[in-house]
Amino acid sequence: DTAVSQTPKYLVTQMGNDKSIKCEQNLGHDTMYWYKQDSKKFLKIMFSYNNKELIINETVPNRFSPKSPDKAHLNLHINSLELGDSAVYFCASSPGTRKRETQYFGPGTRLLVL
Amino acid sequence: DQQVKQNSPSLSVQEGRISILNCDYTNSMFDYFLWYKKYPAEGPTFLISISSIKDKNEDGRFTVFLNKSAKHLSLHIVPSQPGDSAVYFCAASVGGNAGKSTFGDGTTLTVKP
Repeated sequence: DTAVSQTPKYLVTQMGNDKSIKCEQNLGHDTMYWYKQDSKKFLKIMFSYNNKELIINETVPNRFSPKSPDKAHLNLHINSLELGDSAVYFCASSPGTRKRETQYFGPGTRLLVL
Repeated sequence: DQQVKQNSPSLSVQEGRISILNCDYTNSMFDYFLWYKKYPAEGPTFLISISSIKDKNEDGRFTVFLNKSAKHLSLHIVPSQPGDSAVYFCAASVGGNAGKSTFGDGTTLTVKP
C-alpha cells in the first residue's frame, strides 16, 4: 500500500486551464503539505493543513487553492494555469505539528503547462 | 536568496568507497538539519537528521557531520552501494518545524559497481 499517493502523476495542459491534483495519505497523519519543486530543483513549501485547517500559507498566487475534505486528503486546485506553473508538485504528510517530525512524501505530479 | 545550497550537482563514486555530500547554509538561526534521498519518479524519503547541539549523528552506513561555525554539513556514506544512487537533498529549519524546512537543490550521487 502506498503511504502517500498523488493523482495524476503527469499532467499536460494548456495555459489558462483549471486543473486539480489530488493527494491521499493512509498513515493516519494529521498534517499534510504541498511543495513545489521548480526548474532549479529547490523544494518549496506552499501550504500545510493540520486536521483540515490551514496552518501554513506561503507566498503563493491566489490562483492556487488547497482543499482538505478530511485529514487524509489534501487537494490542490490551480486556476488560470500559467507557463511558470510548470513544475513537480509533491504532497507530504507528517504525524502532527510537533518539532522534528518526519515528513513522508508522495511520488510527485509533473505538471507541464503549454 | 537561497539559504541552503548544495554546490555539487553530481558526484560519482566507486562501489565500496566513501561518498561525501556537502551542504552549506547561510541562516545562523537554523538548528535542525535533515538529509533526504530521492529516486527517480518517487518523492524524497527521510534519511538522517542532526540537531545543532550535536556535531555528528550516525545511522548504519550514514553519518551526518555538522560544522556550525562554517555553516556546513556533510553526509558520509560508507561503504557506498549501487542502490545508494539517487538525488540527495539537505534541508534546514529553525526549531525542527517540518513545514518550515528550507531545502537545497540536490546532489545526484552515482555509485558505480
